[in-house]
Amino acid sequence: KAGVTQTPRYLIKTRGQQVTLSCSPISGHRSVSWYQQTPGQGLQFLFEYFSETQRNKGNFPGRFSGRQFSNSRSEMNVSTLELGDSALYLCASSFSRALQETQYFGPGTRLLVL
Amino acid sequence: GNSVTQMEGPVTLSEEAFLTINCTYTATGYPSLFWYVQYPGEGLQLLLKATKADDKGSNKGFEATYRKETTSFHLEKGSVQVSDSAVYFCALSLSGGYNKLIFGAGTRLAVHP
Repeated sequence: KAGVTQTPRYLIKTRGQQVTLSCSPISGHRSVSWYQQTPGQGLQFLFEYFSETQRNKGNFPGRFSGRQFSNSRSEMNVSTLELGDSALYLCASSFSRALQETQYFGPGTRLLVL
Repeated sequence: GNSVTQMEGPVTLSEEAFLTINCTYTATGYPSLFWYVQYPGEGLQLLLKATKADDKGSNKGFEATYRKETTSFHLEKGSVQVSDSAVYFCALSLSGGYNKLIFGAGTRLAVHP
């Protein structure tokens, strides 16, 4: 079974631009979560989608948004990019939202904002 | 608030040495606990997990026991290999906070031949 895939793997943008990242979950998984990883802040939860609805949101500004499609694929969008948005963005999928459920991570999209 | 604290790295060991990476947590309710590993240039891979007190998770020679009385989930391996060099993350998920993982800062492990 294929794992979680993320595209693109690397991205360079300039301040003020916007960016869209894509995540395809493991087949059959309906929950997709997004995390931001930076050297200073570590791994931080952005948001989670399940059945096309945002179920949970982290403490990030409104410039960060996302959506999920009927096939469970998810996109996240960052508008008006800032230098501090440079990070590795990780997507994770799981079959359900149960407490014990394991989240499986993709390889990430590395975003550099200049 | 809910949080995870890991021992600071880097941890440097010789091959076949014993490994312990400490992890303690603060959480309301009864969390599930996880160890993830990140190899250079890659995403996170689940190493092991435990979902209730006294559970022991194990995988690839790594072990961790969910200790509710000490709010700990320390990672151990009896004999490390060079290929174990990576960053290790302890994480928890909370009941009612579905699919939101709270991570520790990560501990970098370097194993030398």
